[in-house]
Amino acid sequence: KNEVEQSPQNLTAQEGEFITINCSYSVGISALHWLQQHPGGGIVSLFMLSSGKKKHGRLIATINIQEKHSSLHITASHPRDSAVYICAVPPQGGSEKLVFGKGTKLTVNP
Amino acid sequence: DTGVSQDPRHKITKRGQNVTFRCDPISEHNRLYWYRQTLGQGPEFLTYFQNEAQLEKSRLLSDRFSAERPKGSFSTLEIQRTEQGDSAMYLCASSLASGQGFSYGYTFGSGTRLTVV
Repeated sequence: KNEVEQSPQNLTAQEGEFITINCSYSVGISALHWLQQHPGGGIVSLFMLSSGKKKHGRLIATINIQEKHSSLHITASHPRDSAVYICAVPPQGGSEKLVFGKGTKLTVNP
Repeated sequence: DTGVSQDPRHKITKRGQNVTFRCDPISEHNRLYWYRQTLGQGPEFLTYFQNEAQLEKSRLLSDRFSAERPKGSFSTLEIQRTEQGDSAMYLCASSLASGQGFSYGYTFGSGTRLTVV
């Protein structure tokens, strides 16, 4: 079974700071998901990536398949970025159900 | 298409009552998943369907839980004789499975928050 570890568990930043959230997993995978969950519960899919780097606005996700590690970066952070960021991977390399990390709670203060 | 829809958004019920949640996936998606998320934890897999076939059920899905996807479109998740431990966010997701089994376009609904009192 794939084990997913995220760090840090909680992160507080000042508006404008560069944010990095890390995710490590134990079993080789076909793709990794980064998700965002705001208070109130709804989950939004930010990225699905299988290699290299993807960018969407101020969000950048990178993955190193050999090291089984991915990072989510937020540039010029803003209070509206405050949310829980969750990393998720398939359990054993396949890509049906996902195994989720516990999430990183990000708070960006003005 | 407006994405994955879940209904209701919130449900408060008394212990022992039955509840049913509905999920409408993205129309062209053939896979549908149910997850449960308790406070402070990441979501945990409950079950998934490919078209109308329920292909996998987690050990978390006790015999009080049943899920259906009768026509391969929307799905329902029913919990019978609810217990306080069932209080959680129930999330639905859908995706399109390729011939090789890979999932594309994984999309989550906003969830149904269940509170059992």
